[in-house]
Amino acid sequence: DTEVTQTPKHLVMGMTNKKSLKCEQHMGHRAMYWYKQKAKKPPELMFVYSYEKLSINESVPSRFSPECPNSSLLNLHLHALQPEDSALYLCASGQGAGANVLTFGAGSRLTVL
Amino acid sequence: GENVEQHPSTLSVQEGDSAVIKCTYSDSASNYFPWYKQELGKGPQLIIDIRSNVGEKKDQRIAVTLNKTAKHFSLHITETQPEDSAVYFCAASEGNLIVGNQFYFGTGTSLTVIP
Repeated sequence: DTEVTQTPKHLVMGMTNKKSLKCEQHMGHRAMYWYKQKAKKPPELMFVYSYEKLSINESVPSRFSPECPNSSLLNLHLHALQPEDSALYLCASGQGAGANVLTFGAGSRLTVL
Repeated sequence: GENVEQHPSTLSVQEGDSAVIKCTYSDSASNYFPWYKQELGKGPQLIIDIRSNVGEKKDQRIAVTLNKTAKHFSLHITETQPEDSAVYFCAASEGNLIVGNQFYFGTGTSLTVIP
């Protein structure tokens, strides 16, 4: 079982809806990430939080809004998405202090109608 | 920035045979090279990794080799089994993730093990 938990596993939403994806880890990692993955493609980095502060935003459209309420939780708020935003959204956490290991969650499969 | 190339994109082997997947990278500052296995409908799972001060690492049927001079690294799976069928991604990273250093992923290899 993965140590990074993502909910929901599947989400279907219309283009006018507002929804959120949630991620939780209890490994004490201080870096948390959102990736977007299209079918048969590698994960694409969206956001990085380091010590609960946003450290990287890879020019992601504002219809995606990340939030890190505490060191264990990471949310991705979704609003006014487009059908091309349909993808697998992966959360990951990483160890700091010189270690590079990245642990992924199982992902949230998003479909935008 | 770093550029990671991965080959082949698809690979089919008979059960019991070996499978080899190769990656090249461009940035000599990269010093950490993980391999991830992704099964259908699941997130990537780390299966083995190697750091730049090591040339080879083995874990049961899986091994990774690194040639820093040539900037390439390879995944070797011996005695393949049907459950090895998945998409495999290599990646390269140059430092501490927590300060924003990224993983640069290869394009993936879809491995099919034929029973």
